Amino acid sequence: DAKTTQPTSMDCAEGRAANLPCNHSTISGNEYVYWYRQIHSQGPQYIIHGLKNNETNEMASLIITEDRKSSTLILPHATLRDTAVYYCIVPPIQGAQKLVFGQGTRLTINP
Amino acid sequence: DGGITQSPKYLFRKEGQNVTLSCEQNLNHDAMYWYRQDPGQGLRLIYYSQIVNDFQKGDIAEGYSVSREKKESFPLTVTSAQKNPTAFYLCASSMDQGEEKLFFGSGTQLSVL
Repeated sequence: DAKTTQPTSMDCAEGRAANLPCNHSTISGNEYVYWYRQIHSQGPQYIIHGLKNNETNEMASLIITEDRKSSTLILPHATLRDTAVYYCIVPPIQGAQKLVFGQGTRLTINP
Repeated sequence: DGGITQSPKYLFRKEGQNVTLSCEQNLNHDAMYWYRQDPGQGLRLIYYSQIVNDFQKGDIAEGYSVSREKKESFPLTVTSAQKNPTAFYLCASSMDQGEEKLFFGSGTQLSVL
């Protein structure tokens, strides 16, 4: 399994960019990196995923290093509603039952 | 709007009682999943179903049962054999079992009286 390592918690000021790091040094060549977030007392929400190239959608950007051993999720203009636990996940083989939602990073956006 | 509906939002169980948590989706997804989340912890997979009339045990299936008689519905029963049922239960679906983009419901908080 490609284990991921994330900081336990982070803070960011409202309106600034929030950069959430994730290490996945044992990732293999065909494994994707997925990001989800979970707002308190709600179900997780898919944010973005990528393989090699940087990805951007309406929610965030995903930057994956060239060696693919780490990635950064960027929320370009954080708002208070972005306060949540963010999960970085690398499923070992194709199949959603292999998604492991660990402890994640608790991101707090401060006014 | 398409999505996943879990009910009830809060549920209380008496000792020795079975309770059933509802999960309905109108996304036309083949695969559905049940997770358990304890306070401050990540999610653990209870059961999953790749297609109607088929389901598989996840990592913590003991004390739980499921059925998948319809594509839209995947109810979870917490049986009296589950000695520590207090947790937040989450249902999810994906287009098929190979799709790792999951859509989650809003969860059911189960507590023991």
